[in-house]
Amino acid sequence: AQSVTQPDIHITVSEGASLELRCNYSYGATPYLFWYVQSPGQGLQLLLKYFSGDTLVQGIKGFEAEFKRSQSSFNLRKPSVHWSDAAEYFCAVAAYMNYGGSQGNLIFGKGTKLSVKP
Amino acid sequence: GAVVSQHPSWVICKSGTSVKIECRSLDFQATTMFWYRQFPKQSLMLMATSNEGSKATYEQGVEKDKFLINHASLTLSTLTVTSAHPEDSSFYICSARLAGRQETQYFGPGTRLLVL
Repeated sequence: AQSVTQPDIHITVSEGASLELRCNYSYGATPYLFWYVQSPGQGLQLLLKYFSGDTLVQGIKGFEAEFKRSQSSFNLRKPSVHWSDAAEYFCAVAAYMNYGGSQGNLIFGKGTKLSVKP
Repeated sequence: GAVVSQHPSWVICKSGTSVKIECRSLDFQATTMFWYRQFPKQSLMLMATSNEGSKATYEQGVEKDKFLINHASLTLSTLTVTSAHPEDSSFYICSARLAGRQETQYFGPGTRLLVL
């Protein structure tokens, strides 16, 4: 069965510092991978996604993620964090075969809460 | 971008009552909508998949008679928590997938339910 692991529950970084949020997935074939951000009172916003092709994916708000098949990882990075980046970040995987059909549900990790120090 | 709304954003009700939550895709048609439940400091767990004009598909362990889902149009899905109990208190989030754009779901802001 597919699963997603986000090893870090809570990370604190200083504003302007670089950021890397870890995500490991378990899936037998090539997965669809996503990173979402959730701010208080707001819905989940898609930061970026990987389906195929270039393993380094650029997203919104200056985020990027790299798919590493050998490590079953899809870590999220940002070179310089802003105070407005403080939020909860979720990594998700969707099964390749099911995603385009009537199911296509996402399996989420437990999330990593990011705090930003001034 | 595609916007999904939920109403209400929060609700407090007495045990035994029923609560209806609406999920609307505001500027696009959604053939498929999903309902998730999120517990504090936990991940989102898929409850059911709702397809317009057909019965919802529930995940294992989710009581379909407890959580009634109706997807009557391409822009509206409703989740009704029937005879709510305190253990149903949670954060309910819906998402919608664009017709013809299977790869991306757009999420609503969520509805916080507190059952007293």
